[in-house]
Amino acid sequence: DAMVIQNPRYQVTQFGKPVTLSCSQTLNHNVMYWYQQKSSQAPKLLFHYYDKDFNNEADTPDNFQSRRPNTSFCFLDIRSPGLGDAAMYLCATSRDLAPGETQYFGPGTRLLVL
Amino acid sequence: DAKTTQPTSMDCAEGRAANLPCNHSTISGNEYVYWYRQIHSQGPQYIIHGLKNNETNEMASLIITEDRKSSTLILPHATLRDTAVYYCIVRLIQGAQKLVFGQGTRLTINP
Repeated sequence: DAMVIQNPRYQVTQFGKPVTLSCSQTLNHNVMYWYQQKSSQAPKLLFHYYDKDFNNEADTPDNFQSRRPNTSFCFLDIRSPGLGDAAMYLCATSRDLAPGETQYFGPGTRLLVL
Repeated sequence: DAKTTQPTSMDCAEGRAANLPCNHSTISGNEYVYWYRQIHSQGPQYIIHGLKNNETNEMASLIITEDRKSSTLILPHATLRDTAVYYCIVRLIQGAQKLVFGQGTRLTINP
């Protein structure tokens, strides 16, 4: 089945140690998104890629970066994780940015910062 | 994007219809109403969306009032697996494509 895959489901890192989260998709969608969801809160968009064009949300900290080497893969890099970055990180895709396009989410990676 | 207001939590008996309300009184004519749900420790799952007319798919029905200021998501025969947080979101037809999630309704289906 076509899907959005995130590995690992759980990631532990140390305070200040760079960490990379991975997302892949078999949907061949043009758009890939990264959301952050802290405990008991709603998901919040960090940035998205439309093809190779990167679009950062205005309030996304500089500590968060992203790479999309090809259509299928997108990475979230956290350069110096702080305790406040512990959260569920959700990857999503959509076919396009056209009106009415649906976003499809992966299962998420839960990041723990020690 | 317009703000939405949903009850914090709701309960429903298994096998009954679950009716989840959403108020979006400031919605404009170029905004869709979307519903997603999030089962514990999983990513959000798309349910349904609509603009003006009522919509139905294999998962649910969406009833939008004539003035578009509120809507109701209906799960016709709720099962225990429908226990989740349900998010009502309004999105512009054109322009920014991000989903702005509110706090949602925590729906608990009871046996």
